[in-house]
Amino acid sequence: DVKVTQSSRYLVKRTGEKVFLECVQDMDHENMFWYRQDPGLGLRLIYFSYDVKMKEKGDIPEGYSVSREKKERFSLILESASTNQTSMYLCASSPRQGAWYGYTFGSGTRLTVV
Amino acid sequence: RKEVEQDPGPFNVPEGATVAFNCTYSNSASQSFFWYRQDCRKEPKLLMSVYSSGNEDGRFTAQLNRASQYISLLIRDSKLSDSATYLCVALGTGANNLFFGTGTRLTVIP
Repeated sequence: DVKVTQSSRYLVKRTGEKVFLECVQDMDHENMFWYRQDPGLGLRLIYFSYDVKMKEKGDIPEGYSVSREKKERFSLILESASTNQTSMYLCASSPRQGAWYGYTFGSGTRLTVV
Repeated sequence: RKEVEQDPGPFNVPEGATVAFNCTYSNSASQSFFWYRQDCRKEPKLLMSVYSSGNEDGRFTAQLNRASQYISLLIRDSKLSDSATYLCVALGTGANNLFFGTGTRLTVIP
């Protein structure tokens, strides 16, 4: 089974801190994605990547950046955490562009910014 | 307007009932559709794809109506374990636009 692992299940950070959320997949998938999920708003795409060192903005990239130095790892960075970034963050991966049937999520990181 | 819209519910149904969820999508060029299931505080997991001709997987039936741009999910003989949030997903044109609905919450009551 494909595994997408997010490093932390719960995180509490202070306003202004730099926050790193890590995601690792073990099935050599080309595509990786970061979403946030909020009540009433559903899943919203923050950033995605189709290849190492490649990144594309999603629908809500403001306040975030990403890093993909290795194929299996996709990191989400909150440069200066704010309270409106309190949310559930979900990482996902899929084999390649267009292979949506293999789309797999990590178990999520619930981030609270105080 | 959102790309994918669905009734948030909640739907509270007794065990054994049949329940149906509908979902509408705005992009007529959307190519593929899916239903995902998300349990409380867990990640979404693929439940089933939605084929043009309709498809069934056990107690679950998915339908697509391209003319009216809606997708449905029918659950027959509801079980307590079906309690979850069901997310409607549409894949539009282009490579990155996998659109998720906000989810419909189902609670099956004993």
